Amino acid sequence: QKEVEQNSGPLSVPEGAIASLNCTYSDRGSQSFFWYRQYSGKSPELIMFIYSNGDKEDGRFTAQLNKASQYVSLLIRDSQPSDSATYLCAATTGGFKTIFGAGTRLFVKA
Amino acid sequence: DGGITQSPKYLFRKEGQNVTLSCEQNLNHDAMYWYRQDPGQGLRLIYYSQIVNDFQKGDIAEGYSVSREKKESFPLTVTSAQKNPTAFYLCASNPGRVNGSPLHFGNGTRLTVT
Repeated sequence: QKEVEQNSGPLSVPEGAIASLNCTYSDRGSQSFFWYRQYSGKSPELIMFIYSNGDKEDGRFTAQLNKASQYVSLLIRDSQPSDSATYLCAATTGGFKTIFGAGTRLFVKA
Repeated sequence: DGGITQSPKYLFRKEGQNVTLSCEQNLNHDAMYWYRQDPGQGLRLIYYSQIVNDFQKGDIAEGYSVSREKKESFPLTVTSAQKNPTAFYLCASNPGRVNGSPLHFGNGTRLTVT
């Protein structure tokens, strides 16, 4: 069974700090990787996607991919209380399937 | 506005009854997906469809059935054979023509079976 693993947290950071979220995946054939944010009781919303090794930046968010280590991370700079949510890491596998990790809960303290 | 509509938002059923969850999209996407989420857990794939009149089982298909008679619609039936049906059900879609496109999600249906 192909898997995506995340630390469930909770991860607690002070307002204005950098939050670092990590995930690993088991399928070496995975080509596409995603970070979704999910507020309690709501559906996931896409934050970042990354296909190539290295860093990809979008505003306060940076996604990092290392295919050799099968490792994906998300950095959130200048964390805000509104960033408090569960962050889901996802990867494509077996063609068009997308599998998800269990999510990391992030708390940003004001 | 384009998007995915799931209905109803909340659904209550008695044990032993089949129930059908609706999912409609107007994004002109070829691929549609059903996921289940339990408290404190990630999303698990139930069924997916890449094209009309075709669908494949995901990781937890037992006790569920789907149909894809129209491009816009991908209803999910939770049958009485599903042992623990109470969960948050999410429908998603993507263009499907390119492997690895991000998923667009509906707002979900919260099913409670007692």
